[in-house]
Amino acid sequence: EAGVAQSPRYKIIEKRQSVAFWCNPISGHATLYWYQQILGQGPKLLIQFQNNGVVDDSQLPKDRFSAERLKGVDSTLKIQPAKLEDSAVYLCASSPQQGTSMGYTFGSGTRLTVV
Amino acid sequence: AQSVTQLDSQVPVFEEAPVELRCNYSSSVSVYLFWYVQYPNQGLQLLLKYLSGSTLVKGINGFEAEFNKSQTSFHLRKPSVHISDTAEYFCAVSDKRQLTFGSGTQLTVLP
Repeated sequence: EAGVAQSPRYKIIEKRQSVAFWCNPISGHATLYWYQQILGQGPKLLIQFQNNGVVDDSQLPKDRFSAERLKGVDSTLKIQPAKLEDSAVYLCASSPQQGTSMGYTFGSGTRLTVV
Repeated sequence: AQSVTQLDSQVPVFEEAPVELRCNYSSSVSVYLFWYVQYPNQGLQLLLKYLSGSTLVKGINGFEAEFNKSQTSFHLRKPSVHISDTAEYFCAVSDKRQLTFGSGTQLTVLP
């Protein structure tokens, strides 16, 4: 089966610019996650979708970050305006359902550098 | 709330030597436990998981981990490492709603 697809792989932007990341989960996976991984740290959950509804966005900086999953399939994560501290790898993951015992399948990530 | 502590940020080890990467967790409910590996510029790949039953679980690439409920630990072991095992390893805990990661351990295998 195809894995979780993410694009772009790399992005460099100046602070205060906007950026968007795209994720296409494994076909049939109802749950989609966006994680932020800052260099030297473990991934931190930003937002979790169940189909096209938000389950948990408690750690999403909503003043600058937004995410959507309109048709319950692919998803976009946007940052506007970006700050230097947003430099990180943004990982998308999917699972068949919330709380699955199977673990999540991760994409390769988008490495964002804000200069 | 749940949390994961990986006690060692970096572990250097010589090729063919054994290795143990330590992980402790805290949670107020029963949990699933996972180990993921991340190679440079790649996403996370599942190594193994503990759901229930036998406390010793075996994963891919010759890794195994032992769940110890009394010590709230889930240490990862391999009896003989290879150069190709050089990577970042993450322990993670799930309360069946959310997956929380530790800060990672960089395993470097030296020739």
